[in-house]
Amino acid sequence: DAGVIQSPRHEVTEMGQEVTLRCKPISGHNSLFWYRQTMMRGLELLIYFNNNVPIDDSGMPEDRFSAKMPNASFSTLKIQPSEPRDSAVYFCASSFGSADTQYFGPGTRLTVL
Amino acid sequence: KQEVTQIPAALSVPEGENLVLNCSFTDSAIYNLQWFRQDPGKGLTSLLLIQSSQREQTSGRLNASLDKSSGRSTLYIAASQPGDSATYLCAVRRDSSASKIIFGSGTRLSIRP
Repeated sequence: DAGVIQSPRHEVTEMGQEVTLRCKPISGHNSLFWYRQTMMRGLELLIYFNNNVPIDDSGMPEDRFSAKMPNASFSTLKIQPSEPRDSAVYFCASSFGSADTQYFGPGTRLTVL
Repeated sequence: KQEVTQIPAALSVPEGENLVLNCSFTDSAIYNLQWFRQDPGKGLTSLLLIQSSQREQTSGRLNASLDKSSGRSTLYIAASQPGDSATYLCAVRRDSSASKIIFGSGTRLSIRP
């Protein structure tokens, strides 16, 4: 198995632009998670899906952030419009069940200028 | 509100030494606790997961213990090697709902050859 796949690995954009991060979970996993990691705040859960349905998005910072999971093998995290304070590493993780071991992707390092 | 603390933030020891990493949490009502490893520029790799009913878990040179009543967990690394250099994070899940997972800020471990 290739593990959790994220793209792009690095993204540099200008303030106000739309950013879309992509994730392909491990095949057969039913739960998918989006995290954000910064030096100041550490690792924070943004949203998680179970069987493609968003279960808890209370960690999504504001309306500029949205996430979708149209099928079991693909999810997106979109920021529109992006701001410099959104600069962080965004991780996607998946697990067989919501309380099982999570397997993390390599992350997308986002820089908003 | 659950808070997870890891002290020290950084630790440097010579190769071959046994060492202990600490994790403390404020709310003892947890579902499980997990230790992760993060290498620079990479995602998180799960090392050990301890259910609330368990006292410890072992994998190779790693041993994790859990004392719920005192709100503490330790990760013991035996015969440390330079390849063990990484950041180690602990994460606490309050219940079977994944949205309640809280990460510590991590301990950056450096093993000197």
